[in-house]
Amino acid sequence: AQSVTQLDSQVPVFEEAPVELRCNYSSSVSVYLFWYVQYPNQGLQLLLKYLSGSTLVKGINGFEAEFNKSQTSFHLRKPSVHISDTAEYFCAVGGSGGSNYKLTFGKGTLLTVNP
Amino acid sequence: DAGVIQSPRHEVTEMGQEVTLRCKPISGHDYLFWYRQTMMRGLELLIYFNNNVPIDDSGMPEDRFSAKMPNASFSTLKIQPSEPRDSAVYFCASRRTGPNTGELFFGEGSRLTVL
Repeated sequence: AQSVTQLDSQVPVFEEAPVELRCNYSSSVSVYLFWYVQYPNQGLQLLLKYLSGSTLVKGINGFEAEFNKSQTSFHLRKPSVHISDTAEYFCAVGGSGGSNYKLTFGKGTLLTVNP
Repeated sequence: DAGVIQSPRHEVTEMGQEVTLRCKPISGHDYLFWYRQTMMRGLELLIYFNNNVPIDDSGMPEDRFSAKMPNASFSTLKIQPSEPRDSAVYFCASRRTGPNTGELFFGEGSRLTVL
């Protein structure tokens, strides 16, 4: 079975500050990892994904994440946030084996960027 | 190409009524997923289909819930009879088979309120 833990349910930051949203996962097989963003009253949109290769993954809107297998983590970072980054962020894991085709999501982290 | 289309966007109904939620996946996608989002439980996978065939319905909460996919371009999630605890946002998502994909494309969701 797979699971995802997002360690912070809410993260308030000031505009132009750096931010890190933490995600840890557990899985008995090799994994694919994802970060999605959800703006109010909208569906989820993919920010970035790790499938294989380089452990540092760059996504849209200046976000990046680093896959750390030994720590089973996939933390999301942005060096300087904007007001428009205010949203809920979800980490998700999918297995590379037979369970590849479904994703298990964390409970989300609400990022609030204040002026 | 159009994204995943869900209807209705909002549904308010009374306890005991039948509710039908609809989804049109992205053309060419052979996997379709139904998720439910609540504050308490986050995003839960209810059921998913591959080539119109239900593969895993272990997340369907009880017999009051049923899902069908009569063809590649249409799926329904039905709740009969509905109860207040079914109030949630229901998301449909789709993806296509293939290596190095894994990304789910989400609709904008159907917000269900059962009074």
